[in-house]
Amino acid sequence: EVQLVQSGAEVKKPGESLKISCKGSGYSFTSYWIGWVRQMPGKGLEWMGIIYPGDSDTRYSPSFQGQVTISADKSISTAYLQWSSLKASDTAMYYCARHRWEALDYWGQGTLVTVSS
Amino acid sequence: QSALTQPASVSGSPGQSITISCTGTSSDVGGYNYVSWYQQHPGKAPKLMIYEVSNRPSGVSNRFSGSKSGNTASLTISGLQAEDEADYYCSSYTSSSTPLFGGGTKLTVL
Repeated sequence: EVQLVQSGAEVKKPGESLKISCKGSGYSFTSYWIGWVRQMPGKGLEWMGIIYPGDSDTRYSPSFQGQVTISADKSISTAYLQWSSLKASDTAMYYCARHRWEALDYWGQGTLVTVSS
Repeated sequence: QSALTQPASVSGSPGQSITISCTGTSSDVGGYNYVSWYQQHPGKAPKLMIYEVSNRPSGVSNRFSGSKSGNTASLTISGLQAEDEADYYCSSYTSSSTPLFGGGTKLTVL
């Protein structure tokens, strides 16, 4: 069974750094791209970027380029999304999902990030 | 990039059919057969319902179907059921080699 399990909810202060994770199982982790999607409170889905764990090739949406870093450790089948300096506007639910057929076919349960002073 | 355009809300009675539209441009919806649709219930992760315009993943009911004409894609749900009440999002591959989501449509089953 394909599963993507994300790390737990985080509460941070503005300016702090953060790295959240997404662990894949039940399939060949290095053979599929993994995407990250943001959903701000009460809002729609926004595609952030995507990584191919096999060689760490990464692409970002123009809206998120330079704002976040996507990485992966194929040895432990885990992808990451990280911020170096959080802002209140980063408060959102973040989902990882497996990319297939130019779509996202399996999704993680989401990680809620709250940034507040 | 601006989000693909979806109606904010649609509604229908049980047993009826509804259609949700997703309008883009020739640089996204109209240019590629890579339109997908997602269902999201409150507090849950999205679920893939349609990929490559009209294909259903294994396990998705055949009451869900997708199509495309020009720069507009559509999701049709037939035999509407109470459990179909959710938010629906379209997505398309774009000429920038990055996907783009629609703004989302809230489906209410009356």
